[in-house]
Amino acid sequence: KAGVTQTPRYLIKTRGQQVTLSCSPISGHRSVSWYQQTPGQGLQFLFEYFSETQRNKGNFPGRFSGRQFSNSRSEMNVSTLELGDSALYLCASSFGQGAGYTFGSGTRLTVV
Amino acid sequence: GQQLNQSPQSMFIQEGEDVSMNCTSSSIFNTWLWYKQDPGEGPVLLIALYKAGELTSNGRLTAQFGITRKDSFLNISASIPSDVGIYFCAGHFSGAGSYQLTFGKGTKLSVIP
Repeated sequence: KAGVTQTPRYLIKTRGQQVTLSCSPISGHRSVSWYQQTPGQGLQFLFEYFSETQRNKGNFPGRFSGRQFSNSRSEMNVSTLELGDSALYLCASSFGQGAGYTFGSGTRLTVV
Repeated sequence: GQQLNQSPQSMFIQEGEDVSMNCTSSSIFNTWLWYKQDPGEGPVLLIALYKAGELTSNGRLTAQFGITRKDSFLNISASIPSDVGIYFCAGHFSGAGSYQLTFGKGTKLSVIP
């Protein structure tokens, strides 16, 4: 079956712009989580959605937001981009709480 | 908040050698997961552990869920060049309002042919 699909794979944006990243989970998975990965901080949890509801949010500023649609696809948005937002953004889907999470290949965001 | 200490940070080993890495936590987890990440890709799940004391194998990989529920280790036997990559441990606590993985900083494995 198809894995977790993230689009786009690469993105270059300018400071102050906003960006929207997309994630299509594995069919049947209703939980979608987002993580930011940087060399300095490692993998940091952003938020998790289940059945269109955000159940948990990590310690990130309000510029980071997300949503989930009825087909479980999810988007995350970052407004007013800063240089420090440059990172690999990973999406993971899961069948249920505590089950193994399957990650997508990520979106590499570069802010210049 | 919860923190995972993963060690070692990096390893250089000869092909054919066995490898061991571990993670310790300041908090209890209900699930331990081990992932491998190749450059430019997302982490790939290697082994999932769901019960304290559980020992699980996946080919040359073996992982254990510590009895205290605060630690886990991963062993790789007879390493081969394709084992190169970064290995991450991750813990999950299935408590109310908790739907996230906490990751270690990773162990970078290099295999010398």
